[in-house]
Amino acid sequence: DGGITQSPKYLFRKEGQNVTLSCEQNLNHDAMYWYRQDPGQGLRLIYYSQIVNDFQKGDIAEGYSVSREKKESFPLTVTSAQKNPTAFYLCASSKRRDRGNEQFFGPGTRLTVL
Amino acid sequence: GENVEQHPSTLSVQEGDSAVIKCTYSDSASNYFPWYKQELGKGPQLIIDIRSNVGEKKDQRIAVTLNKTAKHFSLHITETQPEDSAVYFCAATLGRGYGGSQGNLIFGKGTKLSVKP
Repeated sequence: DGGITQSPKYLFRKEGQNVTLSCEQNLNHDAMYWYRQDPGQGLRLIYYSQIVNDFQKGDIAEGYSVSREKKESFPLTVTSAQKNPTAFYLCASSKRRDRGNEQFFGPGTRLTVL
Repeated sequence: GENVEQHPSTLSVQEGDSAVIKCTYSDSASNYFPWYKQELGKGPQLIIDIRSNVGEKKDQRIAVTLNKTAKHFSLHITETQPEDSAVYFCAATLGRGYGGSQGNLIFGKGTKLSVKP
């Protein structure tokens, strides 16, 4: 059963803590993405990766970090430098990024800062 | 930079009626336009997409039209059903002028569709 999984579904963090959100795909896709979604807003791109060991900043990368050590995995770390981290985080993947960018999304992780 | 405007932000229709959601984009080099449906608490699902070399595409009750000259595209849902109730997002790709970001998607802010039985 192919798809994208994200864990955990809900995550609570105290101020000043770093947390890592997991994203795994078994679609054999080259490109992976992290988006942030706030109420009433569209999806905003945090980071993206076209291939293993390479990633690029998106529109709102400050306070976040990523790694891409395996093709299947693209974890996102929300650091204490992110001023307003409470949001719904979505991971996506696509076969290629440069032509007809059909992206498939995971179920999301809702992060709440206490 | 590239901007995607989506209207309306909320739309309420009676079951069986049609629903139309419109988006405009600013980058004339955009070449791919997907539509996503997002149910509460879930990730977006791709429901239909269109490429810049096509003017219209249909899939059962949903259709998308693209006007490249005017830089706008629309989602049409006919014979709406209560299960169509969700938030719908349009998106457009960044074109060649955006260098390494070419191919990334820019999303509209979404339309909350409510279908009343």
